[in-house]
Amino acid sequence: GQQLNQSPQSMFIQEGEDVSMNCTSSSIFNTWLWYKQEPGEGPVLLIALYKAGELTSNGRLTAQFGITRKDSFLNISASIPSDVGIYFCAGQRYTGNQFYFGTGTSLTVIP
Amino acid sequence: DAGITQSPRYKITETGRQVTLMCHQTWSHSYMFWYRQDLGHGLRLIYYSAAADITDKGEVPDGYVVSRSKTENFPLTLESATRSQTSVYFCASRLAGGLNTEAFFGQGTRLTVV
Repeated sequence: GQQLNQSPQSMFIQEGEDVSMNCTSSSIFNTWLWYKQEPGEGPVLLIALYKAGELTSNGRLTAQFGITRKDSFLNISASIPSDVGIYFCAGQRYTGNQFYFGTGTSLTVIP
Repeated sequence: DAGITQSPRYKITETGRQVTLMCHQTWSHSYMFWYRQDLGHGLRLIYYSAAADITDKGEVPDGYVVSRSKTENFPLTLESATRSQTSVYFCASRLAGGLNTEAFFGQGTRLTVV
């Protein structure tokens, strides 16, 4: 199956710090999505990206579609305790309708 | 309530038993998906469906059967459960195919096979 490498695997940060995570692929993707999953819940969509180079914000979250189409980045500014969760990237290629998911970045925010 | 719902939320079954996980969506989305989530693997696609009576295999379909007789329902059946199928299962739906539509997930079913 398609491999999406997500890093870092986990992060422990102080409240108020900024967070950066990324997702890379050996293949080109034409859609990138970022999801957040809280314990006992399904993933919830945060940001969707459709064009190479696109930069999209959702509150304190900003995501970018890499120019090479093989990567995407998610930044969280001024983290707060409710940011805790697992963040997943997902990519879709032109062919097929399925999304491929990264293995997730676990974020812990220390008050 | 509108949205996508899965049932049951938790299930314990014995090896060799047949078990069916249910998924229901009220958005009239064309596409529906089943994923399993395991530590170290993220979300892996089991099966998906583009419309009623149309289903396709995903990355890990072995041991699973799906059907889609109605647009709103997409049940996943484990015909003879094995311990390796212990996992959290997520159903998802999206409005249409193509690139510019997002998938929305249910809350998951935690299945334990003993």
